[in-house]
Amino acid sequence: GAGVSQTPSNKVTEKGKYVELRCDPISGHTALYWYRQSLGQGPEFLIYFQGTGAADDSGLPNDRFFAVRPEGSVSTLKIQRTERGDSAVYLCASSLDYRGIFPDTQYFGPGTRLTVL
Amino acid sequence: AQKITQTQPGMFVQEKEAVTLDCTYDTSDPSYGLFWYKQPSSGEMIFLIYQGSYDQQNATEGRYSLNFQKARKSANLVISASQLGDSAMYFCAMREDNILVNSGGSNYKLTFGKGTLLTVNP
Repeated sequence: GAGVSQTPSNKVTEKGKYVELRCDPISGHTALYWYRQSLGQGPEFLIYFQGTGAADDSGLPNDRFFAVRPEGSVSTLKIQRTERGDSAVYLCASSLDYRGIFPDTQYFGPGTRLTVL
Repeated sequence: AQKITQTQPGMFVQEKEAVTLDCTYDTSDPSYGLFWYKQPSSGEMIFLIYQGSYDQQNATEGRYSLNFQKARKSANLVISASQLGDSAMYFCAMREDNILVNSGGSNYKLTFGKGTLLTVNP
């Protein structure tokens, strides 16, 4: 079946602008994660959705970052007043999140490369 | 302290030979899982193998095996019979099985190491 998809694949914006990054998880996956990967680093957790609700947003760096998942499927990561330090690859992952079924592997999308000029 | 440590920034291996990529971890949670992902130059993270903290045997998936030494807190990835297509970044990740009571679910967020760049030479 289809994997996790993310759009756009690349986004170039100017400092101070607003951007939206979209993630379409694997059908039937109730858990959705956003990660950020800076150059030369491993991915870092941003936010986790269980269904429609953000169950853990402890990884969001500041209040310029916000994410939604209104119908429990597609999610949008929103970044206001972008800064050059926001430049990174933003990865989305989804999993079944069915309690008791391990390992509940996370499957990643191809990422969105965000460049803030 | 780093939760996941990958001490090898880069590794080289000859085609058809085996290679071990190191990973050590730090957690006080008795229940956790360890994952290895491959990230080719295209950028997508590809799941390779999983090891649960309570698993008695080392995980294997085709040419991939995980050398799990719980007392030493290490979870090294072994790739046998390397192929040119194995050239990529490899990330070790850990999930600590803390349960979010209020959500009724579990937050299995992954903590990643910095990765090892593997180059397979012909």
